[in-house]
Amino acid sequence: VQLAESGGGVVQPGRSLRLSCAASGFIFSSYGMHWVRQAPGKGLEWVALIWDTGVNKYYADSVKGRFTISRDNSKNTLYLQMSSLRAEDSAVYFCARDTECTSTNCYMPEYWGHGTLVTVSS
Amino acid sequence: DIQMTQSPSSLSASVGDRVTITCRASQSISSYLNWFQQKPGRAPKVLIYAASNLKSGVPSRFSGSGSGTDFTLTISSLQPEDFATYFCQQSFSTPLSFGQGTKLEIK
Repeated sequence: VQLAESGGGVVQPGRSLRLSCAASGFIFSSYGMHWVRQAPGKGLEWVALIWDTGVNKYYADSVKGRFTISRDNSKNTLYLQMSSLRAEDSAVYFCARDTECTSTNCYMPEYWGHGTLVTVSS
Repeated sequence: DIQMTQSPSSLSASVGDRVTITCRASQSISSYLNWFQQKPGRAPKVLIYAASNLKSGVPSRFSGSGSGTDFTLTISSLQPEDFATYFCQQSFSTPLSFGQGTKLEIK
């Protein structure tokens, strides 16, 4: 399993940015995918989850209405469209593949990329 | 939304020590609790899933227990490579959530 995030950088408050995550080494269309972020020196914050089919999407309250998770299964790529960015959105953003779901375990980010840094600053 | 609270926030210990980290959920999450280890500059790695299941390849000195609202991660005999930050995560319901982390440092 390999996951490679891209698209991070410095962006002004109120602007938009789109992150991408290129996936390989597994059948992308068979797994849910997550975005998780980590502000510098802080803990992990779950951001969003999209089901394998892309039909169902879930968001943290802190980003709901501003961020959109999506995927292109034909390109093995996960996206995070971020708008109305705030200083508190500054973080390393990780994409992660969900675990192989069973009756006793699902919604666990099992395999992680290295992350891409987003800095929101004027 | 479910809040996850870890204790302690930091811990100093020596090689060979037995260490326990606790995680408490704000409501019952059955056994939908996972533990991660993160080293500086690296992505987190899964140690324990579904409260007590050791992920393949993880040393057997790591163990997890608990159900409902109270969970523990135990390292039976600390090794130098275990000094890291540990996070719990509930996978019971969305929005998913992590504990604030426990930083394990060398005494």
